[in-house]
Amino acid sequence: KQEVTQIPAALSVPEGENLVLNCSFTDSAIYNLQWFRQDPGKGLTSLLLIQSSQREQTSGRLNASLDKSSGRSTLYIAASQPGDSATYLCAVMMGGYQKVTFGTGTKLQVIP
Amino acid sequence: GAVVSQHPSWVICKSGTSVKIECRSLDFQATTMFWYRQFPKQSLMLMATSNEGSKATYEQGVEKDKFLINHASLTLSTLTVTSAHPEDSSFYICSARYRGNDEQYFGPGTRLTVT
Repeated sequence: KQEVTQIPAALSVPEGENLVLNCSFTDSAIYNLQWFRQDPGKGLTSLLLIQSSQREQTSGRLNASLDKSSGRSTLYIAASQPGDSATYLCAVMMGGYQKVTFGTGTKLQVIP
Repeated sequence: GAVVSQHPSWVICKSGTSVKIECRSLDFQATTMFWYRQFPKQSLMLMATSNEGSKATYEQGVEKDKFLINHASLTLSTLTVTSAHPEDSSFYICSARYRGNDEQYFGPGTRLTVT
């Protein structure tokens, strides 16, 4: 059974700092990994998707890396802004039935 | 970009009634749709995977007779919570997998409150 863990569970940083969110998974035979953000009481917004054959993806101030062999992914946020405050979730998709397992989430607060 | 809608966005119903939630991919075809449930301050839990034209695959512990899923077309999936009880109150989110790039696009969610 795939288990996905995110560390830290919560993070508070001053505006402008660069930060790294971590995601680890127990079964490395993944199909892809996706990072989302969720604002309180809202749905999910897709940030980045990394296919199993890729090592990283970039979008603006965000960079996500994937190391399948070690079962890890990181989301790097450069020059953080108060608008980045949200809960960040990673989700791992397996092959076959395409089952997706979500991580436990990291709640980020960027202080002005 | 790919958009997934859900209707209704929130619903309050009485215990014992049934509630239907719709999930639509507005500008793309989705061969696979997923239904998730999220409890307060917790992550999303996959309930079931549905492929167009076939029966849904339910996760362990999810009652298929309680949560009826129908994937009638490439753009529409419905989740019906039958004989709802207060413990069914939750945030339900669907997603649709875009055939072109495998990315999942999520709906805005439906908040169900059973009184």
